[in-house]
Amino acid sequence: AQRVTQPEKLLSVFKGAPVELKCNYSYSGSPELFWYVQYSRQRLQLLLRHISRESIKGFTADLNKGETSFHLKKPFAQEEDSAMYYCALREAAGNKLTFGGGTRVLVKP
Amino acid sequence: DVKVTQSSRYLVKRTGEKVFLECVQDMDHENMFWYRQDPGLGLRLIYFSYDVKMKEKGDIPEGYSVSREKKERFSLILESASTNQTSMYLCASSPGTSGRGGEQFFGPGTRLTVL
Repeated sequence: AQRVTQPEKLLSVFKGAPVELKCNYSYSGSPELFWYVQYSRQRLQLLLRHISRESIKGFTADLNKGETSFHLKKPFAQEEDSAMYYCALREAAGNKLTFGGGTRVLVKP
Repeated sequence: DVKVTQSSRYLVKRTGEKVFLECVQDMDHENMFWYRQDPGLGLRLIYFSYDVKMKEKGDIPEGYSVSREKKERFSLILESASTNQTSMYLCASSPGTSGRGGEQFFGPGTRLTVL
């Protein structure tokens, strides 16, 4: 069965510092990976997906199939990046998502 | 914009009560999902549905059932609520596997407390 692991429950960084959220997965097929974000008092929403290969709000994520990782990075964190972040995996040709345990990011001024 | 609404933001029930959580989406999505969200455990899938009257168990279906009589509405039922079902419940919907399949749109959540 597929599994998504986010090893850090909490990441605390200062404004302007780089931030990297780790995500590792186990899946035997060819997965699709996502990052979802939940800001305070807002609903969970998609941040980015690996097939788009785009930068959203300064965040990027690269799928590394050799290391089975999909880490989320931003070179200069902003206070508005403080939120809960979830990594998620979708099986090939499936509709379900498997989520990791989440990482809370706190960006201090 | 996709709109997913849930019937209650906060709910307090007693042990043994039957509880209904309702979810409605307005974008004609085929797929609908119920998750519970707990600190440190992330989102865990309870049940999902890919069509009217169709349902499939997720990872933690025990103690729950679902109903999908209309495409836009997906209900989660706790047959006999227990204290370990105290949680945040999230509903989501997504289109079919073609096109934007994979992106799920979430409701605001229902925080259920079982006393």
